[in-house]
Parts: sequence; structure tokens; C-alpha cells
Amino acid sequence: QSALTQPASVSGSPGQSITIPCTGTSSDVGGYNYVSWYQQYPGKAPKLIIYDVSDRPSGVSNRFSGSKSGNTASLTISGLQAEDEADYYCGSYTSSNTLYVVFGGGTKLTVL
Amino acid sequence: QITLKESGPSLVKPTQTLTLTCTFSEFSLSTGGVGVGWIRQPPGTALEWLALIYSDDDKRYSPSLRSRLTITKDTSKNQVVLTMTNMDPVDTATYYCAHRRAGKYYVDYWGQGILVTVSS
Repeated sequence: QSALTQPASVSGSPGQSITIPCTGTSSDVGGYNYVSWYQQYPGKAPKLIIYDVSDRPSGVSNRFSGSKSGNTASLTISGLQAEDEADYYCGSYTSSNTLYVVFGGGTKLTVL
Repeated sequence: QITLKESGPSLVKPTQTLTLTCTFSEFSLSTGGVGVGWIRQPPGTALEWLALIYSDDDKRYSPSLRSRLTITKDTSKNQVVLTMTNMDPVDTATYYCAHRRAGKYYVDYWGQGILVTVSS
């Protein structure tokens, strides 16, 4: 069981916006502004798309945005495209172990 | 451009010890503020941090796997090695090498991953 909770799947139609929540506790998501998001295609390594809650690495589309409220962080993808169909994982700083990072269980995004 | 690449066996038998090597380029573990670690992903499931080593040789381990893991670095070869003892079929996973900066809590560069199957 992962430390952070994500829905197993979400779906949306091209052009729509979708939001993927990532729920933790005050020891991780709620306590620190160190949430990250990763996109993973089948058979490929994850790719960082959001760090420190809402910052985007260079080259990542501005259709991807991150936010946080209380113990829940969210990834929003606007203007959904077929290429966005992938698995998405959240990660967060945690004070509960000395690796200081935990992941969510992942969410499969289906573009209808 | 930072790159990392994993190498090691694709198949190990139960109870054996797994040794994985991460060879990286365009950064050095002799430079302060850099860490290289290992993350695994069993088929169809989530990511799990295993271990991390920093340039100052500070080492961190997953609490649940600490007794089975050892992480070391060879700065001259630009390599980080992970050993995991007493392998079990539940350890079957893709193992990723990961670059993480000190004081940062995300992986900015990943290796391509290596699938390790544990089976007799």
C-alpha cells in the first residue's frame, strides 16, 4: 500500500480538463511544499512534469499544472490530448523516513 | 545532458544476491549536493524508493528493506552499485537509477530501467 492515495483511473475527452488528486497527511503533502508529479508511458521510465507543488521543468507543456490544498495535491491537465494518455504518479517529501520521499499508487489516464 | 544507465542480471534465483550498477554521465558524485539512488516498480504497480547515496557518502535506505540493501559509489568510474540480498519472487520489478539533488525531493533524471525477474 502506497503512502499517498491516488485514484486508480481517470478519463477525459480531447480538449477537456482533468484533475488527478493525491492525498497524504500532515507528515508529507500537507506539511511541506515538496510535491512532484511524474508521467510514465508503458515500458518507459517516469518523467518529471511538476516539482515543488506547481513548478514545471523546462520543456514541459503549460497544459500541466499543480496545486495543493491541505493534505491533497492535484495535477490538472488542460486541453487534453491523446498523447497525455499515460500513468501519473505523485511524490512528496515525508518526515516519516530518512529517504524523505514517498510516492502515490499511480493513476491511469485514459483519453476517450 | 545528464544520463544514467542501469546494468545487471535480468534473472536471479530466489535467495541469491542481486547486484545492480548505475553508470552515469555529465555530472560527478565528487561534486557536492548530488545524490544517486534506486527506485523499483513491480509489474503494474507503484514506484518505491530503495536507497540513495550522496556525494558526501551519506547513505539512506528504505526502512522496510534496510537489512537487505547496500549502496556504494565509485566516483572514479561514475558508478553507483546497489546490492540486495536474499532475493524473492516478490522482488521482481523494474529497477531504476535516479538523480536527485541535495535538498530537493524529486527525481529530475531517470535511467531507462532494468527488469529483474526472480525465479528458480
